[in-house]
Amino acid sequence: EVQLVESGGGSVQPGGSLRLSCAASGFTFSNYWMSWVRQAPGKGLEWVATIKQDGNEKYYVDSVKGRFTISRDNAKNSLYLQMNSLRAEDTAVYYCARARWVQSKFYFDCWGQGTLVTVSS
Amino acid sequence: SYELTQPPSVSVSPGQTARITCSADAFANQYAYWYQQKPGQAPVLVICKDTERPSGIPERFSGSSSGSTVTLTISGVQAEDEADYYCQSAASSGTPLFGGGTKLTVL
Repeated sequence: EVQLVESGGGSVQPGGSLRLSCAASGFTFSNYWMSWVRQAPGKGLEWVATIKQDGNEKYYVDSVKGRFTISRDNAKNSLYLQMNSLRAEDTAVYYCARARWVQSKFYFDCWGQGTLVTVSS
Repeated sequence: SYELTQPPSVSVSPGQTARITCSADAFANQYAYWYQQKPGQAPVLVICKDTERPSGIPERFSGSSSGSTVTLTISGVQAEDEADYYCQSAASSGTPLFGGGTKLTVL
């Protein structure tokens, strides 16, 4: 059974940093693109970042470029999101998701339960 | 900017058919995907590549595509289908893009 378990969320002041982790099991992690998708309270889904199997290609939504870094450790079956210079508008539940590549586009076939990040003074 | 437009809400009675639309400037050469999200839960993929149903998704869920509109159809709606539904495709840059979501209410 595919499992994605996020951790590392919490409350942080504006300008602060957090590192999210996602532990993957039930599939060969190193064979898949992986992504982070977020959902602000009461709002819709927003794609944040995606990383290739070997970590050599990374894509970000414009609003987090230069502040967030996606990375992975295939030996540990883990995905990470380093979030710096956090803003109030980054407040959201962050989901780890397995990404599939079809016709040069991504979709997400498995999701974790999410971890809440709250940015507030 | 490129957007995926969904109706904010759809209401149906149990046993009826619910249709949720998602409109874009163009879905040409791009597949659409649908996710179901129940309160407090993670999204679940219910339709991929416009019309395909992933393993474990009930047959009452189906998808279709016509021009600039894709549609999620739930036949014989059940109370457990009450949820938010999101379509997803790609922005002009090729990065993933979600619609605003549709709240399905089962009366």
